[in-house]
Amino acid sequence: KAGVTQTPRYLIKTRGQQVTLSCSPISGHRSVSWYQQTPGQGLQFLFEYFSETQRNKGNFPGRFSGRQFSNSRSEMNVSTLELGDSALYLCASSPGTSGPMEQYFGPGTRLTVT
Amino acid sequence: GQNIDQPTEMTATEGAIVQINCTYQTSGFNGLFWYQQHAGEAPTFLSYNVLDGLEEKGRFSSFLSRSKGYSYLLLKELQMKDSASYLCAVADYGQNFVFGPGTRLSVLP
Repeated sequence: KAGVTQTPRYLIKTRGQQVTLSCSPISGHRSVSWYQQTPGQGLQFLFEYFSETQRNKGNFPGRFSGRQFSNSRSEMNVSTLELGDSALYLCASSPGTSGPMEQYFGPGTRLTVT
Repeated sequence: GQNIDQPTEMTATEGAIVQINCTYQTSGFNGLFWYQQHAGEAPTFLSYNVLDGLEEKGRFSSFLSRSKGYSYLLLKELQMKDSASYLCAVADYGQNFVFGPGTRLSVLP
């Protein structure tokens, strides 16, 4: 079974721009969660999608948004980029059908904002 | 509020046993997970506890006490490849995970 894939792997953007990151979950997994990882803050939960609906949301500003498609692939968008948005963005998938389950993480997208 | 604490760094010797502690205060509790993350790589699942007690999985064991808001990960027969960060995560409801800051473990020969 193929693992979680994320594209692109690396991205450099300028402050004020917007960016879209993509995540393809493991086949059959319907839950996709997004995380931001920085050296200072660790791994922080952004949001979770299940069956095309946002099911949970972390404490991030509205500049961070996401969506999920009918094939469970997910995208997250960050608008009006700030220097502090530089981070590793990880997505994780799980079957998501009942209760918390182990999550399978993708390799991440390293975003640098200059 | 949500708070998870872990030691920042630990060092141990190859072949030894190490215990990594995690204390948590979260608004809800639906289980506690441990993940391993090697430098530059994605986290990988190690163990899951939802009831009090010890769960054993080969060289790795994890313990949970819900009344104390406490868990630990026990690594036996340490190997050099165990050098990594170990993340404690609590599912406070549904799939909403709160991760601890991680413990960086260095295994020395």
